[in-house]
Amino acid sequence: GENVEQHPSTLSVQEGDSAVIKCTYSDSASNYFPWYKQELGKRPQLIIDIRSNVGEKKDQRIAVTLNKTAKHFSLHITETQPEDSAVYFCAATWDSNYQLIWGAGTKLIIKP
Amino acid sequence: SAVISQKPSRDICQRGTSLTIQCQVDSQVTMMFWYRQQPGQSLTLIATANQGSEATYESGFVIDKFPISRPNLTFSTLTVSNMSPEDSSIYLCSAGQGDDQPQHFGDGTRLSIL
Repeated sequence: GENVEQHPSTLSVQEGDSAVIKCTYSDSASNYFPWYKQELGKRPQLIIDIRSNVGEKKDQRIAVTLNKTAKHFSLHITETQPEDSAVYFCAATWDSNYQLIWGAGTKLIIKP
Repeated sequence: SAVISQKPSRDICQRGTSLTIQCQVDSQVTMMFWYRQQPGQSLTLIATANQGSEATYESGFVIDKFPISRPNLTFSTLTVSNMSPEDSSIYLCSAGQGDDQPQHFGDGTRLSIL
């Protein structure tokens, strides 16, 4: 079936450095790719998203890139801060673009 | 973005009983979904709540165990029936306009079965 693979499962970076999380999807018809941040005990919160007609999108310290040919997309966080510590999930649409298939999540740890 | 209120936020229930979780959105939305999330794991879609018709369930989830209602475009309920300890989890509702639009989530219901 359709799936989204997410790597790495855990990422530890020094405060101020950059973090990159990568996802690969299988459904070539997917056209919407959101990223969510989930802090412990909280709801998943949308932090950035990208549609298939765009290759890159940036919002302050956060950016997402999409390579449709290779079917992968990545989250980039620059100048990491302690409050960036959380679990990050990627997702991709399928089934007429109503449902999301979710990656397994990446635990991002920012070391002071 | 839509504001989604979910209740209860947590509950502890006896096995064999049922619990209904409510999800209220502050604006009309096309799509509402119910997810389950085990601690430390990703989200698993239970079903899509369809307004005015039966919900669409994912593999491994059945209507008798997880009946869902969606009477209008702003409200949905999920019932967890005949609960067992394996049903202990976090249940999340989400809502969106579909068609490659974002989904936004409620705060979740943390359910423990004794």
